[in-house]
Amino acid sequence: EPEVTQTPSHQVTQMGQEVILRCVPISNHLYFYWYRQILGQKVEFLVSFYNNEISEKSEIFDDQFSVERPDGSNFTLKIRSTKLEDSAMYFCASSDGLVQETQYFGPGTRLLVL
Amino acid sequence: DQQVKQNSPSLSVQEGRISILNCDYTNSMFDYFLWYKKYPAEGPTFLISISSIKDKNEDGRFTVFLNKSAKHLSLHIVPSQPGDSAVYFCAASERDQGGKLIFGQGTELSVKP
Repeated sequence: EPEVTQTPSHQVTQMGQEVILRCVPISNHLYFYWYRQILGQKVEFLVSFYNNEISEKSEIFDDQFSVERPDGSNFTLKIRSTKLEDSAMYFCASSDGLVQETQYFGPGTRLLVL
Repeated sequence: DQQVKQNSPSLSVQEGRISILNCDYTNSMFDYFLWYKKYPAEGPTFLISISSIKDKNEDGRFTVFLNKSAKHLSLHIVPSQPGDSAVYFCAASERDQGGKLIFGQGTELSVKP
């Protein structure tokens, strides 16, 4: 069964450093998403992406965040200058469509900012 | 942001019995609802979904009921199995919001043998 994969599974970084989280969505999906879950809190939407453009972003997704589809298979989330409060589990998801379509999630990357 | 609420943080059920997980929402523009199951250190796994034009959707042991007037949905698992023990999240989306899913806080289900 096709699945979303994410690398790395864990990342530890120093505050102020840049991190890039990588995702390989399900191959025939065209819509991609990033979510995060801070420990003990809800899963929160960050951004959706289609046709090389951001479709929607949350207020969390500020200028420190960016997304890119650098090639035909990868989808990345970059945090330019990490803060302590960026420590969270980051989930990538993909779907066939944007409206009333199931989003399938990857296993997540646990990011710890020290 | 409390648009989607799961008021029960935990639920314990005996194996073979029915598990009922509840979810309330406040945004009447939501038109698609999903249930995900999540194990620790894993991503959410899709279980079942329902469109706002329906009031019930069934898939094997899982049934989701939607009551639009009450802005309430529930997930029924019958019969419950120990392997169902996990955190269950409901999520909702609204048309023209870029596919954004709004999640509830989750309910931890424990199915005892």
